[in-house]
Amino acid sequence: DTAVSQTPKYLVTQMGNDKSIKCEQNLGHDTMYWYKQDSKKFLKIMFSYNNKELIINETVPNRFSPKSPDKAHLNLHINSLELGDSAVYFCASSQPAADTQYFGPGTRLTVL
Amino acid sequence: QQQVKQSPQSLIVQKGGIPIINCAYENTAFDYFPWYQQFPGKGPALLIAIRPDVSEKKEGRFTISFNKSAKQFSLHIMDSQPGDSATYFCAASDGTGNQFYFGTGTSLTVIP
Repeated sequence: DTAVSQTPKYLVTQMGNDKSIKCEQNLGHDTMYWYKQDSKKFLKIMFSYNNKELIINETVPNRFSPKSPDKAHLNLHINSLELGDSAVYFCASSQPAADTQYFGPGTRLTVL
Repeated sequence: QQQVKQSPQSLIVQKGGIPIINCAYENTAFDYFPWYQQFPGKGPALLIAIRPDVSEKKEGRFTISFNKSAKQFSLHIMDSQPGDSATYFCAASDGTGNQFYFGTGTSLTVIP
């Protein structure tokens, strides 16, 4: 049983396209996150959702839009993809204030 | 501004050695300090964590030392093994579960 799953694992696309990454957690957690890990492995939080409500929105271009249809899912939609969006995107979940985050396997996005 | 500063960037030790990774923070509101281990192609996974009310925590071969007055904490890996070769991230949270700050990561290589 995968605790936090993401699809797809790899995504290769052209500049200007729109793409989505899906995330699901079966841990019953209320809080979900999106992180971006760049080529230097720097891990930076993008969004945090608590029970479908946006809590944290770091300085991320508005081309990135998270959507949480229910508390087990947090999808990331990216419009007008740019070369600089190439990175590995991780979804994570935790209980609020419980602190331990469980990460998904990541989605490697390559923009050509 | 980097909320959590981590060093060194990379570390190479012989099998059986004791690699030490250091982190420092400024925000005194942080009250949870986890370490994550990441293998290539995988998401980060919680290794060990500490709260400021203790100065040391040990789990198996992994030990966190915490110095609240200096606002520093470190990870020690006893009797390191080649299987410990991975990237290690320190992190800090204010306990709300809504925001985590990660260090820049340390790439550890343990030579057989």
